[in-house]
Amino acid sequence: ETGVTQSPTHLIKTRGQQVTLRCSSQSGHNTVSWYQQALGQGPQFIFQYYREEENGRGNFPPRFSGLQFPNYSSELNVNALELDDSALYLCASSRGTGAANYEQYFGPGTRLTVT
Amino acid sequence: KQEVTQIPAALSVPEGENLVLNCSFTDSAIYNLQWFRQDPGKGLTSLLLIQSSQREQTSGRLNASLDKSSGRSTLYIAASQPGDSATYLCAVREAAGNKLTFGGGTRVLVKP
Repeated sequence: ETGVTQSPTHLIKTRGQQVTLRCSSQSGHNTVSWYQQALGQGPQFIFQYYREEENGRGNFPPRFSGLQFPNYSSELNVNALELDDSALYLCASSRGTGAANYEQYFGPGTRLTVT
Repeated sequence: KQEVTQIPAALSVPEGENLVLNCSFTDSAIYNLQWFRQDPGKGLTSLLLIQSSQREQTSGRLNASLDKSSGRSTLYIAASQPGDSATYLCAVREAAGNKLTFGGGTRVLVKP
């Protein structure tokens, strides 16, 4: 059983640019959630995708958007990057959204630096 | 709005001592609570998940308790080792909603 993978590992972008981060969910998982973790803080929920539909969103502006594909992999897109977007972006997958299936398994993260 | 707090923010103990990490949450209407370990610059490793109907979970040297009514969970790590040095995060999933709400973490250093 393969775990959650994310790419790229590190990324440096300039303010105003756009970025796409990728996540492959664990085998057998159909739900992907994205989190942003600023340095020294706990992760903050961005949004979740379940069977290719957005299934909940945190307090992030519309320039944060996502996709989920038929194989349940996912992308996080951020437009008009700001310095405060510098963070570790974590992807998590789970078997479903019901309470019994909700243990989330996290990937290694993508470290985004905006200069 | 659910708020999760972890105190202390940092902890240093000599090898062999038992670790006690605390997590509190403001809204007791949760589905479950999960404890994670995070090494510097890395992703999160799930340690234990406690469903809202459970009081505790155990895995090896780790034991986590949950008191939903008082909004508290405690993670115990027995006989700490230098390899236990990491940041430990707790997160709750609320009964309404699909997200995990995390605490700020406790950074643990176990000295040889």
